[in-house]
Amino acid sequence: DSGVTQTPKHLITATGQRVTLRCSPRSGDLSVYWYQQSLDQGLQFLIQYYNGEERAKGNILERFSAQQFPDLHSELNLSSLELGDSALYFCASSGGTPYNEQFFGPGTRLTVL
Amino acid sequence: AQSVTQLGSHVSVSEGALVLLRCNYSSSVPPYLFWYVQYPNQGLQLLLKYTSAATLVKGINGFEAEFKKSETSFHLTKPSAHMSDAAEYFCAVSEDSNYQLIWGAGTKLIIKP
Repeated sequence: DSGVTQTPKHLITATGQRVTLRCSPRSGDLSVYWYQQSLDQGLQFLIQYYNGEERAKGNILERFSAQQFPDLHSELNLSSLELGDSALYFCASSGGTPYNEQFFGPGTRLTVL
Repeated sequence: AQSVTQLGSHVSVSEGALVLLRCNYSSSVPPYLFWYVQYPNQGLQLLLKYTSAATLVKGINGFEAEFKKSETSFHLTKPSAHMSDAAEYFCAVSEDSNYQLIWGAGTKLIIKP
């Protein structure tokens, strides 16, 4: 158990819909990362937050947004969903420095029908 | 820009044989290097990390990796493969100036009985 929790575990929705994925980091970790993992694109970094502020942005679509709240939990919002958004979405947390390892949650499997 | 190359999307070894998973990185400064493992339907888990101390790093489950600056490599090895090692392995790099982890494409390790 990494100490990172993600809800829900599975999500099935239709194209055009909007969903919210939630992540609670390990106790004491200030940094949260979101990743998308699909069969054709592998593991893609989406976005990082550190203590409530956006720190780094990766291959995140404009239809996707995230935020980190004062209690440090984070939410990833995916809107106008397309079939291609079906993937595993992982959250990870760390101490926030480049040499800190990231601890991954179990992931949310999103299926868009 | 940083990049990570993992040679071989699939590596197959017999049970009891040596495991060698290759990772090469490009970095203009001394990097921090990580190996993660992902078992089926699970999140990623840290195997080991290099943070500029000893060049030979020992990790969990009998894995180790050697940092070779001249070859810009950080290959993962295990003397004797077990069936339970079947998983996907990811190499990643970060730098002081960059808070992201740059990920390799992953290598699926297949263990033959």
